[in-house]
Amino acid sequence: QKEVEQDPGPLSVPEGAIVSLNCTYSNSAFQYFMWYRQYSRKGPELLMYTYSSGNKEDGRFTAQVDKSSKYISLFIRDSQPSDSATYLCAMSAAGGTSYGKLTFGQGTILTVHP
Amino acid sequence: DAGVIQSPRHEVTEMGQEVTLRCKLISGHNSLFWYRQTMMRGLELLIYFNNNVPIDDSGMPEDRFSAKMPNASFSTLKIQPSEPRDSAVYFCASSFPFGGILGDTGELFFGEGSRLTVL
Repeated sequence: QKEVEQDPGPLSVPEGAIVSLNCTYSNSAFQYFMWYRQYSRKGPELLMYTYSSGNKEDGRFTAQVDKSSKYISLFIRDSQPSDSATYLCAMSAAGGTSYGKLTFGQGTILTVHP
Repeated sequence: DAGVIQSPRHEVTEMGQEVTLRCKLISGHNSLFWYRQTMMRGLELLIYFNNNVPIDDSGMPEDRFSAKMPNASFSTLKIQPSEPRDSAVYFCASSFPFGGILGDTGELFFGEGSRLTVL
């Protein structure tokens, strides 16, 4: 079993829809939770970052972490065609040799059609 | 800053040939990561360096793979001999020093990748 599980989709929604993306994980040492966005033929780029449990909002994007359930989510409100990309969850444990060592989910391919 | 620069962007080679992928870090970053991305397995960490020293190479699939960081701004990933199952997109990423903007995590800045096809 992988440490991080993410449904690869693909997910297709109409413009303006609310999108929910999710990951589950098994490693209780994970403390830092991130969402990266990857456009076609580009490298991933950081979209949202959360430490430990809780919610974080940034414009149309909300990240949620539930450590008790080992479950994280990314919500996109009022989705736009420009949001069409692959969304990857990523996690890391704290400090030492774990620093910067991210474990990624497989990525969910999202298409927002006009 | 130009960001993380990878070369070549595309490489097509025949089985058994040596492949060398190159990466230039963002100035001021001191951690370097090599990832491999495939449809089946997603993004997998191969190896990472901190201050030019390899910290964790447990993701390197076989002895055919080797990585070096001869100086603070440059790294190479070599595959010798290459095999068709090595076909993938190889990403290099760099991050700020420990305790930087994101504290322990270190946001990773990825290059645009090197797409390798081994025939």
